Amino acid sequence: TQLLEQSPQFLSIQEGENLTVYCNSSSVFSSLQWYRQEPGEGPVLLVTVVTGGEVKKLKRLTFQFGDARKDSSLHITAAQPGDTGLYLCAGSNSGYALNFGKGTSLLVTP
Amino acid sequence: NAGVTQTPKFQVLKTGQSMTLQCAQDMNHNSMYWYRQDPGMGLRLIYYSASEGTTDKGEVPNGYNVSRLNKREFSLRLESAAPSQTSVYFCASSVDRAIDAEAFFGQGTRLTVV
Repeated sequence: TQLLEQSPQFLSIQEGENLTVYCNSSSVFSSLQWYRQEPGEGPVLLVTVVTGGEVKKLKRLTFQFGDARKDSSLHITAAQPGDTGLYLCAGSNSGYALNFGKGTSLLVTP
Repeated sequence: NAGVTQTPKFQVLKTGQSMTLQCAQDMNHNSMYWYRQDPGMGLRLIYYSASEGTTDKGEVPNGYNVSRLNKREFSLRLESAAPSQTSVYFCASSVDRAIDAEAFFGQGTRLTVV
C-alpha cells in the first residue's frame, strides 16, 4: 500500500482567506486524484493530475502535481462556506484500485 | 441518474450476526470497489473487482467476503459481525482501472455493531 500523507488534518478559517492542503508520499504515482466529501455523502472527484509539474485550475481551486510525481497540493483562493468539507487525495501506482489519504477537514466560517 | 446505489443506508447489528451490503451501478462500469471509512483513518479498501467475474483483496479484507454478481452488482458480506466493523461503508465504481478513471461513490451504509 502506497502511503499518502495529507496535511493539515484539520483547518478552520474565515471566509475570504486563502489556504493550501498538501498530499505527500514516498512513492511515485502515475496520477493523483483529489476528491471532496460532504457530510453524509460519498466523495466526489474534483480533478486528476497526471503530468509532473502540472497545474490545473478549477475556479478558485488550484491543483499542482509535484515534478517528481510524489506529491500534490490544493490551493483555495478566497475560501467560501460552500468549500467546507473533507478533501481527500488518492492515487494508484500500478493497481486497479485507489488508495486514499486520511483527508483534510476544512471548515470555512462566514 | 441513479449512479451508484447502496442499500441499506443504516443498519444496526448485534455481535455475531451476519448481513450483506448491496451495491448496484447503472453506468456500465467494469470496476467496482468496497471501502470503509473510519474517523481519522480515511478510506480503506476492503475488496475490489476489476471486471465481472474477478475479485481481489484490498488493504483490510479480514472478516469480509464479496460477490460480483454481474456487471452491475457487487455485494459485501459480513459473516459474523464484530464491533470493530462499525464503520461507514462506501461502494464505488469506475469505467476501468481507477488509476485512469474517475471513481463514483454511493452515499454509504452506516453500520453499527453492538
